[in-house]
Amino acid sequence: QKEVEQDPGPLSVPEGAIVSLNCTYSNSAFQYFMWYRQYSRKGPELLMYTYSSGNKEDGRFTAQVDKSSKYISLFIRDSQPSDSATYLCAMSAVGGSYIPTFGRGTSLIVHP
Amino acid sequence: EPEVTQTPSHQVTQMGQEVILRCVPISNHLYFYWYRQILGQKVEFLVSFYNNEISEKSEIFDDQFSVERPDGSNFTLKIRSTKLEDSAMYFCASGGGREQYFGPGTRLTVT
Repeated sequence: QKEVEQDPGPLSVPEGAIVSLNCTYSNSAFQYFMWYRQYSRKGPELLMYTYSSGNKEDGRFTAQVDKSSKYISLFIRDSQPSDSATYLCAMSAVGGSYIPTFGRGTSLIVHP
Repeated sequence: EPEVTQTPSHQVTQMGQEVILRCVPISNHLYFYWYRQILGQKVEFLVSFYNNEISEKSEIFDDQFSVERPDGSNFTLKIRSTKLEDSAMYFCASGGGREQYFGPGTRLTVT
């Protein structure tokens, strides 16, 4: 089983839709959970990070972590065409250099 | 807003040649990283650097790779003898711990 699994998509939604992006993982040591957005041929951009379980909200974005199920989600409300990008989940254990393990990313297309 | 910068944006080299990829991390960050992303694949960790030495490295980071912080601002990745399979995007990142901020990447093409 891979450490971090993420459906590559593409996920195509109409403008204004609520988007749900998800990852599962197998390593119980992961405590930090991050979401990055990556536009084509650009570097990943950190959107949000959360520690342990729970929810975190930032504008139209909400990150959820369910450690008991080893499942994390990113919700995007009122999606816009500018949200079209690849969304990468990443997670790391506590301590050391906090090296993240990335999912392969989900391609999101928001059409007008 | 401070950001990580990388040069060059695109590097074409012949197999067997040495390349140096350059990064300027965010100035008050303490941790520096190199990652690579082969087209269509996951972002893969190569090496982390803290307090002027390598703190962790992956299996990918073998003897043909080296990193250096030659002065107070630059952070470099050297590939001694490039192979075709080194063709990828190389990202530098810097951070103060949990959060990492990525540069725009250098696209390395080995022919």
